[in-house]
Amino acid sequence: KQEVTQIPAALSVPEGENLVLNCSFTDSAIYNLQWFRQDPGKGLTSLLLIQSSQREQTSGRLNASLDKSSGRSTLYIAASQPGDSATYLCPNFNKFYFGSGTKLNVKP
Amino acid sequence: DAGVIQSPRHEVTEMGQEVTLRCKPISGHDYLFWYRQTMMRGLELLIYFNNNVPIDDSGMPEDRFSAKMPNASFSTLKIQPSEPRDSAVYFCASGLSYNEQFFGPGTRLTVL
Repeated sequence: KQEVTQIPAALSVPEGENLVLNCSFTDSAIYNLQWFRQDPGKGLTSLLLIQSSQREQTSGRLNASLDKSSGRSTLYIAASQPGDSATYLCPNFNKFYFGSGTKLNVKP
Repeated sequence: DAGVIQSPRHEVTEMGQEVTLRCKPISGHDYLFWYRQTMMRGLELLIYFNNNVPIDDSGMPEDRFSAKMPNASFSTLKIQPSEPRDSAVYFCASGLSYNEQFFGPGTRLTVL
């Protein structure tokens, strides 16, 4: 049973596009939701944390929303850049489950 | 803040040798986590501590693996004896709760 599903699994786009990455989870008891990016051969970098009392969080070109009732979170990336290329993860820390993430490639 | 610090960043050793990985969490964080990442299995939790006490070590693969947290600013993950299948990237993370974590850069372990 997958605790976290991320769609799409991979995405390749030209730079400048606005992107939507989706995360759905089966655990209705999820509390906070934290989005990460992982560059090849690197550690996980925290991007945004949506706390239980919040519905969304913004940082620069990134906006993440959380709908606990539907078990979904969405990460919006505006005006994508080649430097955004990475794997994006939304782990379920209740179950310490990471999934495979969305592998994003932004082409110059 | 310097973030989570891990050492060494790379370790190459021979089968049967003891390996010790080190982690310094972010100051003030009560939780510390050890993860392992491989291509086959992705990221897996090995063990986590709260206030220096091990809370869940069910992810520790075998008795060859042990972890300690002698104080709030230091933790070790030890593998003795090491085997080629232990080759992976080992991450340490810390947080004020288990729901918000900050990761270190990882230690890439290669066991020959």
